[in-house]
Amino acid sequence: QKEVEQNSGPLSVPEGAIASLNCTYSDRGSQSFFWYRQYSGKSPELIMFIYSNGDKEDGRFTAQLNKASQYVSLLIRDSQPSDSATYLCAVNKVSGQAGTALIFGKGTTLSVSS
Amino acid sequence: DAGVTQSPTHLIKTRGQQVTLRCSPKSGHDTVSWYQQALGQGPQFIFQYYEEEERQRGNFPDRFSGHQFPNYSSELNVNALLLGDSALYLCASSTWLLRFNEQFFGPGTRLTVL
Repeated sequence: QKEVEQNSGPLSVPEGAIASLNCTYSDRGSQSFFWYRQYSGKSPELIMFIYSNGDKEDGRFTAQLNKASQYVSLLIRDSQPSDSATYLCAVNKVSGQAGTALIFGKGTTLSVSS
Repeated sequence: DAGVTQSPTHLIKTRGQQVTLRCSPKSGHDTVSWYQQALGQGPQFIFQYYEEEERQRGNFPDRFSGHQFPNYSSELNVNALLLGDSALYLCASSTWLLRFNEQFFGPGTRLTVL
């Protein structure tokens, strides 16, 4: 089982719709969870992070965390063509030396059509 | 406020050569992490540096080594390059005290090994 799994997509939604992106993780000790957006040829850009069960909203974006189910999701409301990108889910893995590593899924490609 | 910077932007090397990539973290950040992103994959954690020491290491061979300087900047060295080392190399900066929080990525260095 991979540490972080995402559906690679592509996920296609019309402009103005809600896009729902999902992610599952295997390490129950994971403490914080991240969504990054990556445009083709560019580096990942942080959208949101969440560490408590429940929902966290920031503008058109809502992150949802369910630690019991080991599930994280990202909702994008009123999707725009500019939201078309790859969305990377990441979890924070802590080592014995207290260093931290982000463990990424492969990413989900979102396409928003106008 | 300068963000994370990396140099060079692009690099072409041949098999067996050695390469050094450089990173300067965001102002106020003291921790640098390095990631390798192959085409179509999520970033993979290489290692993390804080206080000039390697704090955590991912599943990469000893050919990959690093260094952090007193001004928090960092280098990634790769020896005996293989074709499979061709990838986007990403540097991320963060604050050790808030290491469970977000990491911010630089623009990356695109390495091509021929």
